[in-house]
Amino acid sequence: ETGVTQSPTHLIKTRGQQVTLRCSSQSGHNTVSWYQQALGQGPQFIFQYYREEENGRGNFPPRFSGLQFPNYSSELNVNALELDDSALYLCASSSITGSGNTIYFGEGSWLTVV
Amino acid sequence: RKEVEQDPGPFNVPEGATVAFNCTYSNSASQSFFWYRQDCRKEPKLLMSVYSSGNEDGRFTAQLNRASQYISLLIRDSKLSDSATYLCAMRIDRGSTLGRLYFGRGTQLTVWP
Repeated sequence: ETGVTQSPTHLIKTRGQQVTLRCSSQSGHNTVSWYQQALGQGPQFIFQYYREEENGRGNFPPRFSGLQFPNYSSELNVNALELDDSALYLCASSSITGSGNTIYFGEGSWLTVV
Repeated sequence: RKEVEQDPGPFNVPEGATVAFNCTYSNSASQSFFWYRQDCRKEPKLLMSVYSSGNEDGRFTAQLNRASQYISLLIRDSKLSDSATYLCAMRIDRGSTLGRLYFGRGTQLTVWP
């Protein structure tokens, strides 16, 4: 157990809809990152939140947005869903102290867009 | 060009075999390197970090070659339970990319009896 929990575990949405995925980070971790893993690919970095602010973003359009709350939990929001958004969405928590910090993944949320 | 390149395989080997995976990376500023194991429809789990001096954990040996910019994972005496996808990852621990992991696409391993 990594102490990182995600919800929901599975969901199906229709193209054009919006989705919110949630993540509770491991106790003591102030940084949350989100990754998208399409079938047959490695996880791709979406963005990272540190102290409630976005702290780095990957090559994803603005319809991917996020939030981090004072308790360090986080949400990933995706608007105007497209079929290619179907993927496993992974939340990772860590404590930014420079190199050597371990990153812990949650079990992920499987999103299917039809 | 992708930050991390990894042969997707698949690798199909008999029990007891030795199998090796390699990844190359393009950014010489990369500082930390990892191998993750991912079971079907599960999250990646850290298998081992990779150090310049090389490190070993039981049947698993990881190597880093900074001059050639590649990392490797060697699995000796393969077990059926080693069947999974193995992902290499690297991290550049500074600036705006602090804490961001760059993954290869993963190499699928199947060990058969």
